[in-house]
Amino acid sequence: AQKITQTQPGMFVQEKEAVTLDCTYDTSDPSYGLFWYKQPSSGEMIFLIYQGSYDQQNATEGRYSLNFQKARKSANLVISASQLGDSAMYFCAMREVSHSGTYKYIFGTGTRLKVLA
Amino acid sequence: DGGITQSPKYLFRKEGQNVTLSCEQNLNHDAMYWYRQDPGQGLRLIYYSQIVNDFQKGDIAEGYSVSREKKESFPLTVTSAQKNPTAFYLCASSVPRQGTNSPLHFGNGTRLTVT
Repeated sequence: AQKITQTQPGMFVQEKEAVTLDCTYDTSDPSYGLFWYKQPSSGEMIFLIYQGSYDQQNATEGRYSLNFQKARKSANLVISASQLGDSAMYFCAMREVSHSGTYKYIFGTGTRLKVLA
Repeated sequence: DGGITQSPKYLFRKEGQNVTLSCEQNLNHDAMYWYRQDPGQGLRLIYYSQIVNDFQKGDIAEGYSVSREKKESFPLTVTSAQKNPTAFYLCASSVPRQGTNSPLHFGNGTRLTVT
């Protein structure tokens, strides 16, 4: 079963506007972590933001914020004031504890964002 | 600077040959991971290791093998049994502490092409 779902294969946003990238997750573990990564065309994976399942407040990092709705199991990434350099692939990921007690990171299929000048 | 080094960046092999992808980290991280990325499928976990001399299968381990003889190194062998080996391979590491912000740190990847 899909544990991380990103339903938007591609998104467009006008430069300087805000955009929301959707992510829903599925887990029965009460302790988990949610991450967003950016992958430019060069292929490197850049960590953007983290939200812990017990965090009371939504995470923010500069122009990135995470809209965490625990009851809905969603962790949407909001990018404010989009820049041309934000054009990239964005992945939502979840860290969960496996049955052997080790940590696994599961990724969604990604959303390709294109910022328009 | 600390980081993860994957080499080579591009790798070409003939079908039927085994090939080993290198991953070295100097971040002093205990946990290391191998992912495969195909267009439209995101990152899929192949193998991961939390400590030296121990590793676990991920979701798509068939046709792959790994070793973890040193904390710094986690090489991935793509065997001839892997039916569709052409892909982009990413190695990552993390500090496996519960309840803390411990993101994956990634290498720059190896693009493997098998013909």
